[in-house]
Amino acid sequence: KAGVTQTPRYLIKTRGQQVTLSCSPISGHRSVSWYQQTPGQGLQFLFEYFSETQRNKGNFPGRFSGRQFSNSRSEMNVSTLELGDSALYLCASHWTSGKNEQFFGPGTRLTVL
Amino acid sequence: EDQVTQSPEALRLQEGESSSLNCSYTVSGLRGLFWYRQDPGKGPEFLFTLYSAGEEKEKERLKATLTKKESFLHITAPKPEDSATYLCAVRGGGATNKLIFGTGTLLAVQP
Repeated sequence: KAGVTQTPRYLIKTRGQQVTLSCSPISGHRSVSWYQQTPGQGLQFLFEYFSETQRNKGNFPGRFSGRQFSNSRSEMNVSTLELGDSALYLCASHWTSGKNEQFFGPGTRLTVL
Repeated sequence: EDQVTQSPEALRLQEGESSSLNCSYTVSGLRGLFWYRQDPGKGPEFLFTLYSAGEEKEKERLKATLTKKESFLHITAPKPEDSATYLCAVRGGGATNKLIFGTGTLLAVQP
């Protein structure tokens, strides 16, 4: 059974640019959650999607957005990049209810210069 | 506000020296406490889920336990390959699957 895949694995951008990250969940999982991981703040919840709808959003500025497609694949976008956006962005795949352990992908390492 | 605190921040053990990692939490309506292992440059790897006080789960040299206020990850006779950051997370009440993570315990096991 294939795991969660994230592309690209590494990105280098400059301030002011925008970036789109992609996540493909485990087959059969219809929910995807995104997290930002930094050395100072640890893992912080960004948003959760189910059936193409955002169910919950973390405390991040509007520059961070996401969407989910009918095949459950998800993308997140960060516009007007800032230096502080440098982080590991992790996608987690899970069932929507019940014993919904979240399974993480390898992450996308974003560096903003 | 839901919160998770892990201790110690870092732990160095000799191979075979057993120890425990602590995860203290405050959450309204616990709907799961999760343990993950994370290796450098990789995503967190799921280890255990605990749902109610008194519950225990085991996997190889790891054993997780849960009380109403904290969880412990016991590591018995660790090996160098157990070196990693161990993360604890909780899912609280409400219609959300949001996980709240602690900052992790960095474990180093020396041969």
